[in-house]
Amino acid sequence: GAVVSQHPSWVICKSGTSVKIECRSLDFQATTMFWYRQFPKQSLMLMATSNEGSKATYEQGVEKDKFLINHASLTLSTLTVTSAHPEDSSFYICSARSTSSYSYNEQFFGPGTRLTVL
Amino acid sequence: KQEVTQIPAALSVPEGENLVLNCSFTDSAIYNLQWFRQDPGKGLTSLLLIQSSQREQTSGRLNASLDKSSGRSTLYIAASQPGDSATYLCAVMTGANSKLTFGKGITLSVRP
Repeated sequence: GAVVSQHPSWVICKSGTSVKIECRSLDFQATTMFWYRQFPKQSLMLMATSNEGSKATYEQGVEKDKFLINHASLTLSTLTVTSAHPEDSSFYICSARSTSSYSYNEQFFGPGTRLTVL
Repeated sequence: KQEVTQIPAALSVPEGENLVLNCSFTDSAIYNLQWFRQDPGKGLTSLLLIQSSQREQTSGRLNASLDKSSGRSTLYIAASQPGDSATYLCAVMTGANSKLTFGKGITLSVRP
């Protein structure tokens, strides 16, 4: 149980275009999902917290107009990188927080999406 | 602000050795601590989760301990194997909004 998927697993796009990444909790409902980015040989940095039915909370230094987050259902959150630039190239990972009594507050991570902007 | 430190950044050991990976954090007011494994170019695999009220968790050859008051956790790997080679990340959850703060990870190489 507690599987999180991401789609696509990798994407290459041209500079100036927008890219949407989906994060789904497959076998549990997640009122809260998180979006991270990871640069090569670096750790994960939290970008934003996505709450179902409300606006996302962005970390300091993350542009909310550039990284649009939508959490329209209890199993799906999307991250849209708008007007992508080469410096946005990174590994984007989402996680979903479990609220079950068995794994309360545990975060389950997706497999990540490799974004390359040319 | 919570800070998580993992030292050393890299470790190379011969197969069969028992080893300990260390993690320290600055704010002891945590909800839980998780150890993850990350293979190159892949996502995170959760290894062990220790709630703040617990002192250790075990799964197979892995044992994780938590000393909240001193801000430390260790991941013990028994009888290491080449397949254990990966980056091991420690993360702590603080605050009511369940944010995770990650360490930079320890890249482990187990030599056959």
